[in-house]
Amino acid sequence: GALVYQYPRRTICKSGTSMRMECQAVGFQATSVAWYRQSPQKTFELIALSTVNSAIKYEQNFTQEKFPISHPNLSFSSMTVLNAYLEDRGLYLCGARQGDTEVFFGKGTRLTVV
Amino acid sequence: GDSVTQTEGQVTVSESKSLIINCTYSATSIGYPNLFWYVRYPGEGLQLLLKVITAGQKGSSRGFEATYNKEATSFHLQKASVQESDSAVYYCALSGNNNAPRFGAGTKLSVKP
Repeated sequence: GALVYQYPRRTICKSGTSMRMECQAVGFQATSVAWYRQSPQKTFELIALSTVNSAIKYEQNFTQEKFPISHPNLSFSSMTVLNAYLEDRGLYLCGARQGDTEVFFGKGTRLTVV
Repeated sequence: GDSVTQTEGQVTVSESKSLIINCTYSATSIGYPNLFWYVRYPGEGLQLLLKVITAGQKGSSRGFEATYNKEATSFHLQKASVQESDSAVYYCALSGNNNAPRFGAGTKLSVKP
């Protein structure tokens, strides 16, 4: 079956430092990968959508300078939270799909900033 | 922009009673959005519960159903008789073709035995 793994599951970083999180697709080819953030008491906000052979599209309020994303092949993507501060804490979710099929989600990376 | 509004916060229902979680959407950039309900069980990842891509049609799964009402821009989730195992957080979402889903705020369902 199709699975998406995210790691680390939980991480703590000091304010002002950076944190890289990874997303692995198993059992299908991840032609597009979407990254989301769920801040405390909020819903999943779309950060950006990465589609193979297309430029990564960032949503309003999110930038490549703050959340650089790599999508080097059809099974892997990573996103870094640069210069993390308290407002960046939350659950970061990766969703991947092949073509226009169902999006499969990982369990998320929970980021705590201290 | 495109957005989803759903029953917010927590809903508590007694086992075997009926459930409805309201969802309405606004799709200004997508003519005919695809509509979804996702569910997140405790300790689990987000998973698709049901989806409907054609207006007027109904989707169903695990006893849950939702009808794509284009006139009312609604996609309410209903179940006739809930079980304790249905306790989870439910998210209504929409997307255009090849776009990433956009989620509502989530509704936490607690089913009392």
